[in-house]
Amino acid sequence: GNSVTQMEGPVTLSEEAFLTINCTYTATGYPSLFWYVQYPGEGLQLLLKATKADDKGSNKGFEATYRKETTSFHLEKGSVQVSDSAVYFCALNTGFQKLVFGTGTRLLVSP
Amino acid sequence: DAGVIQSPRHEVTEMGQEVTLRCKPISGHDYLFWYRQTMMRGLELLIYFNNNVPIDDSGMPEDRFSAKMPNASFSTLKIQPSEPRDSAVYFCATAPAGGGTAETQYFGPGTRLLVL
Repeated sequence: GNSVTQMEGPVTLSEEAFLTINCTYTATGYPSLFWYVQYPGEGLQLLLKATKADDKGSNKGFEATYRKETTSFHLEKGSVQVSDSAVYFCALNTGFQKLVFGTGTRLLVSP
Repeated sequence: DAGVIQSPRHEVTEMGQEVTLRCKPISGHDYLFWYRQTMMRGLELLIYFNNNVPIDDSGMPEDRFSAKMPNASFSTLKIQPSEPRDSAVYFCATAPAGGGTAETQYFGPGTRLLVL
């Protein structure tokens, strides 16, 4: 079946540090891949997405590249800010509009 | 655009009571999803609708849960009778038609339910 595996959190970083949150997937067909972010007390918001192999999604300094050979979609940011503290969800969509989410990774950034 | 609107934002009730959660989708969106989020199980899809018709309700935990979408502007998720294990944050999300697998889902702010 379709599934998404994310690294366990929390990930604790100092401001301006480099961020990587790992995400790997298992899917039939050719999924689209997403990163959603959830700030405290809010719903999920789309951060970035990629729809085919080797695509790079980017937004707000975050990037992720769709790697079919390693079935991965790791999230990276070169310099995190305190305001990036949130829970990050990797997700895939293989069709019929259904998203399959990972368990989420909490990021804590300290000044 | 006001985004996805959910009400109430917080609900505290006693075991056995009926709970109704409400969602107003973004105008023009054809898909509507109900999710439940808990610490133990993460984010689970309960049911989703396309053009007001339920398409997949395989995530609905049991018969105590029911969802309706009487028109394109409104959906409800009802729990009757409620139990403490139903305590969670319930999200409504909507998405436009088309685009295959690439469409973004837009989430509401959620309803935090506590069943005592």
